[in-house]
Amino acid sequence: GAVVSQHPSRVICKSGTSVKIECRSLDFQATTMFWYRQFPKQSLMLMATSNEGSKATYEQGVEKDKFLINHASLTLSTLTVTSAHPEDSSFYICSARDPQGIDTQYFGPGTRLTVL
Amino acid sequence: AQSVTQLDSQVPVFEEAPVELRCNYSSSVSVYLFWYVQYPNQGLQLLLKYLSGSTLVKGINGFEAEFNKSQTSFHLRKPSVHISDTAEYFCAVSLMDTGRRALTFGSGTRLQVQP
Repeated sequence: GAVVSQHPSRVICKSGTSVKIECRSLDFQATTMFWYRQFPKQSLMLMATSNEGSKATYEQGVEKDKFLINHASLTLSTLTVTSAHPEDSSFYICSARDPQGIDTQYFGPGTRLTVL
Repeated sequence: AQSVTQLDSQVPVFEEAPVELRCNYSSSVSVYLFWYVQYPNQGLQLLLKYLSGSTLVKGINGFEAEFNKSQTSFHLRKPSVHISDTAEYFCAVSLMDTGRRALTFGSGTRLQVQP
């Protein structure tokens, strides 16, 4: 199957700093990528839909000024957590939609963010 | 809005025993249905999906699921589990009539296979 990578896999930062997470589709072009957030022992919650060349669509309750999403190319989407606080600590997972397969999404391995 | 319910948060089972993980959904429009598996500190891997056609869907690792439209269910089954099947399993849906195709996930079921 197709591969989606995320970098970094784990990051620890101080409160008030910004953190950038990259999501790459390695062997296919993805016009649409999704960003999810997962709290411990809970399900994935959709944060936003990232579309190449246009603004991201954010879910209700997600602060777009805090979680900046950029989808500059067909293989790369980035999520920047600005002015991070301890409550932003979570597992962030991206997925890329395969344009060849009907409703097939490939997930990245996730990024564990810890804000001190 | 659509929703997905996984009634069992944890399912303990002995190795080589059969298992069924339950999933029910609610939606005002037709949906596509998925089962994903998540191993510790990893992303999600697709087990199987139902888009149309035969209601019995076979996936990887010996798993299968049956779509029941009247009961709005999509239960996951495996006739004989292995220790390596220990993981978190998520049921998910996406709406057929939208172009966005974001997934709505259930709360997950932790399958614990014991020797």
